[in-house]
This record gives sequence, C-alpha cells and structure tokens, in this order.
Amino acid sequence: EIVLTQSPATLSLSPGERATLSCRASQSISSYLAWYQQKPGQAPRLLIYDASNRATGIPARFSGSGSGTDFTLTISSLEPEDFAVYYCQQRSNWPWTFGQGTKVEIK
Amino acid sequence: EVQLLESGGGLVQPGGSLRLSCAASGFTFSNYAMSWVRQAPGKGLEWVSSIISSGGSTFYADSVKGRFTISRDNSKNTLYLQMNSLRAEDTAVYYCAKDERPLVGATPEGTFDYWGQGTLVTVSS
Repeated sequence: EIVLTQSPATLSLSPGERATLSCRASQSISSYLAWYQQKPGQAPRLLIYDASNRATGIPARFSGSGSGTDFTLTISSLEPEDFAVYYCQQRSNWPWTFGQGTKVEIK
Repeated sequence: EVQLLESGGGLVQPGGSLRLSCAASGFTFSNYAMSWVRQAPGKGLEWVSSIISSGGSTFYADSVKGRFTISRDNSKNTLYLQMNSLRAEDTAVYYCAKDERPLVGATPEGTFDYWGQGTLVTVSS
C-alpha cells in the first residue's frame, strides 16, 4: 500500500499569505495525485487532479506541482474561505490512499 | 447540476447489517465508475470500494473485503453498499463519489469530482 505523508500537519497563516502544502508518497506514483479541500461538516471538494490540473471552477490561486514522490499544493494568497483541511490522494496503485491531511488555520 | 444523495445510514449493533444507497442525477450515471469513501469521526478519508460503469468489476479495501458489497442499478441511477458483519471500526460518515472522467478502460479512474453529503453509520451496542 502506498503511504502518503502530508506536511505540515497544521499551517497557521494570515489572509493574503502564501500557503505551501507538501505530500510525499512512499513510492513513485507518476502524476496520479489529486488534492481535495474539506471544510467542517462538508464533503471534500476536488481542487487539483493529475498533480497540476485545476478542477472545474477552482480559482487560479490554487496550483499543484510535482511528480514521482514529491508534490506541492500552493495557495498563492489565502482568502478567508480557504481555511480548511487539505488532503492528497493517489490513484496510481490499489488501494487508492489519502494523506492524513493538513489543516490550514487562521493565525 | 450533478447531485449525489446518500441514504440508509444509522445505528446498528456489532455484527449487524446495513445497506447504503446513493441516488445520482445531473449526469449520465451509466458512463461513470462510482466509489464509496468513508471518514471516521475526527479522522481522515479512507477509500472503501469502487465499481465500474457496467457493474461488471468491483474493487475493495482490504478492511472491508468479504463483508461489504458494492453494486449499482443503472436503470435507477443508484449506487449501493451492502455492509455485513459490521464492526465498531466501521463507524464513519460514508460518502459516494463520482469519477472525474467517463470510464475508458476496465478500471475506475480514481479522481473524485463530485461527492454526496455523506451518511453516518454508527456501529455500537
């Protein structure tokens, strides 16, 4: 099973700041990585698929990069609605797995 | 507008059974693989099971293999999850999720672009 390790566990930032979230895979997953955002009491929302492609309707301040084992989600300038938990997920190998999540909180 | 509406959750005793449903609308259901993903209280996301568009192939996490059965009825635009021999560790919100792209090959694509609101399953005596 491929293990995805997200860091940091919590990111404390102010609105307008840049957020950089990391996801590391235990083995190469090519570019088969997605990022999701989840707010309390809500279902996850797809942000990025195949490492760097923004999903429909996702603002340009969200960007993804990486391939192989190291991936990054960047939020260029945090808006108040961006404070949430972010998960990465791989679809390279069965079983599909998620990272443990990074919480982006207001500083 | 794509909508996924789960139902069937509730409180069940250990060893019991429950059947979840997910009613889909707003897209051609029969063209897409579908999945179940769960989230234990205060925890992260865990993929549970997937089924291809025709229903001819199914996939399961080891933690539920042999106890859960995924199925679909394309005439009713509905996805199901039959859960037997339930354990306390199955307690979670269960989400149904749609593949981002129509099925091309023999396996689900594995990126989830739409999710239902979730249904809570609590396994406790």
